[in-house]
Amino acid sequence: ELKVEQNPLFLSMQEGKNYTIYCNYSTTSDRLYWYRQDPGKSLESLFVLLSNGAVKQEGRLMASLDTKARLSTLHITAAVHDLSATYFCAVVSGSARQLTFGSGTQLTVLP
Amino acid sequence: DAEITQSPRHKITETGRQVTLACHQTWNHNNMFWYRQDLGHGLRLIHYSYGVQDTNKGEVSDGYSVSRSNTEDLPLTLESAASSQTSVYFCASSAGTGIYEQYFGPGTRLTVT
Repeated sequence: ELKVEQNPLFLSMQEGKNYTIYCNYSTTSDRLYWYRQDPGKSLESLFVLLSNGAVKQEGRLMASLDTKARLSTLHITAAVHDLSATYFCAVVSGSARQLTFGSGTQLTVLP
Repeated sequence: DAEITQSPRHKITETGRQVTLACHQTWNHNNMFWYRQDLGHGLRLIHYSYGVQDTNKGEVSDGYSVSRSNTEDLPLTLESAASSQTSVYFCASSAGTGIYEQYFGPGTRLTVT
């Protein structure tokens, strides 16, 4: 059974600081997705990582995938308040069309 | 623009009643999914479908059913609502080929009293 673990689950950081969210998964997979969820809202796709060594960047967020270590990271550079949200990673399992989600990381960026 | 919609957005019902939550997508996606989201549990898969007349159970399917009579719709039915089914429900869809990125609907907040 595929398990996806994120850490930390809660993260408070000061504006302007850097930090990394980690996503570990338990079985082989070469596809990983990052989503953002604002309070009371739906999930918005951020990144799709399709192969070992894949790196995607959008603004202050950068995601990477190491399939050998079964690890993805979401790096935040010079955080701003607008990045406050919950971030989920999700890994493909089974027939390659189902996603198993991590528990999410609730990020709060403080002024 | 293509989209995925859910209705109702909020629903309050009583224990024991049958409830149906609607999901409609205009992406022409083959794959559709229902999740529930609860604090501390992230998103958990309830049921999913890979095409018309195809339905499959997910991780937390007990007490729920789905049917797929066309490509656009995957209604979720709670046969006899229980307080433990109070949750936020999300529908999602993805293409049948390619990267399988899932697109999510706005969610339905269901309260069972």
